[in-house]
Amino acid sequence: DSGVTQTPKHLITATGQRVTLRCSPRSGDLSVYWYQQSLDQGLQFLIQYYNGEERAKGNILERFSAQQFPDLHSELNLSSLELGDSALYFCASSTPLHFGNGTRLTVT
Amino acid sequence: QKEVEQDPGPLSVPEGAIVSLNCTYSNSAFQYFMWYRQYSRKGPELLMYTYSSGNKEDGRFTAQVDKSSKYISLFIRDSQPSDSATYLCAMSAATGFQKLVFGTGTRLLVSP
Repeated sequence: DSGVTQTPKHLITATGQRVTLRCSPRSGDLSVYWYQQSLDQGLQFLIQYYNGEERAKGNILERFSAQQFPDLHSELNLSSLELGDSALYFCASSTPLHFGNGTRLTVT
Repeated sequence: QKEVEQDPGPLSVPEGAIVSLNCTYSNSAFQYFMWYRQYSRKGPELLMYTYSSGNKEDGRFTAQVDKSSKYISLFIRDSQPSDSATYLCAMSAATGFQKLVFGTGTRLLVSP
């Protein structure tokens, strides 16, 4: 068990909709990293938060946003969903990174 | 061309074999190198972590980094069916492991 908790495990939604993915980092970790894993692109870094502030950005679409709350949990918001957004979304924390078991998003 | 290249496999070996998994990279700024194991429907699990060049051993696993050749390897000795998984290499140029760059993974199948 990595200590990183992600909910929900699965999400099925329709195109154009908005969803929220939630992550709790390992106890004591201030950083949260979000990654997307798709079959054709592999694991891609989206965004990092550290103690509530955005620290680094990767290949994150403008339709996607994230935030980290005072209790250090983080949420990734995906809006105007497209079929191509179907993927596994992972959250990670610690140095080096330890990953949660992800949220599988299916957009129909 | 991708920054990190990894053969997707699958690599099929009999139980007890020595397995060699490899990645090449193009960014000479990479200094931190990691290997992750990912089982189906699970998140990547950190196996090995090395800094700069050299070897690191942990049980049946040995990680090697050759920065001059931009080549990293993971060796698994006495492979077991439970080692069947996808192995991902990852690397970073920055401290704090920001923006880890992953290979696409090699699928390993160890048959009893």
